[in-house]
Amino acid sequence: EPEVTQTPSHQVTQMGQEVILRCVPISNHLYFYWYRQILGQKVEFLVSFYNNEISEKSEIFDDQFSVERPDGSNFTLKIRSTKLEDSAMYFCASSGDPGTGGYEQYFGPGTRLTVT
Amino acid sequence: EDQVTQSPEALRLQEGESSSLNCSYTVSGLRGLFWYRQDPGKGPEFLFTLYSAGEEKEKERLKATLTKKESFLHITAPKPEDSATYLCAGFKTGANNLFFGTGTRLTVIP
Repeated sequence: EPEVTQTPSHQVTQMGQEVILRCVPISNHLYFYWYRQILGQKVEFLVSFYNNEISEKSEIFDDQFSVERPDGSNFTLKIRSTKLEDSAMYFCASSGDPGTGGYEQYFGPGTRLTVT
Repeated sequence: EDQVTQSPEALRLQEGESSSLNCSYTVSGLRGLFWYRQDPGKGPEFLFTLYSAGEEKEKERLKATLTKKESFLHITAPKPEDSATYLCAGFKTGANNLFFGTGTRLTVIP
């Protein structure tokens, strides 16, 4: 069964450093997402990406964050100059074509980011 | 403000003891509602999508229902392996992002 994969599973970085989180969405999906979940809190939307551009972003997704689809399979989230409060679990998700009812978002296992 | 609220926060059941989890929503222009299961340290696992009031979906011991104001996840004769956090999320017409509730942490005791 196709699944979303994410690497690394755990990333430890120092405050002020840049990190890149990587995701391989399900191959025939068209929409890609990043969410985060701070320990003990709800899952929060960061950004959605379609047709090689950002389609929506939340207030959390400020200039510190960027996304990219560098090739036909990978989808990345870059966090520049990390802060302590960026420590969280980051989930990548993908979905098919809403025009044909493909609203379901399938999530990866997550990357736990720890900023020290 | 768009909001999804889940109750109870935590629920302990004996194996075989059926119950329901609640998800109430105030989302303008709601297009649909998702249910996910999340195990500790893992990503949300898709369970159901509901689009219309009155709609029901079933999978094994789980049944999800939707009204105009809330959704229920009914668990019939649960087993210990059903222990997880169950998340409800709404999405709006014209948007793709999901609004998640805080979840219900279910523990099923053998």
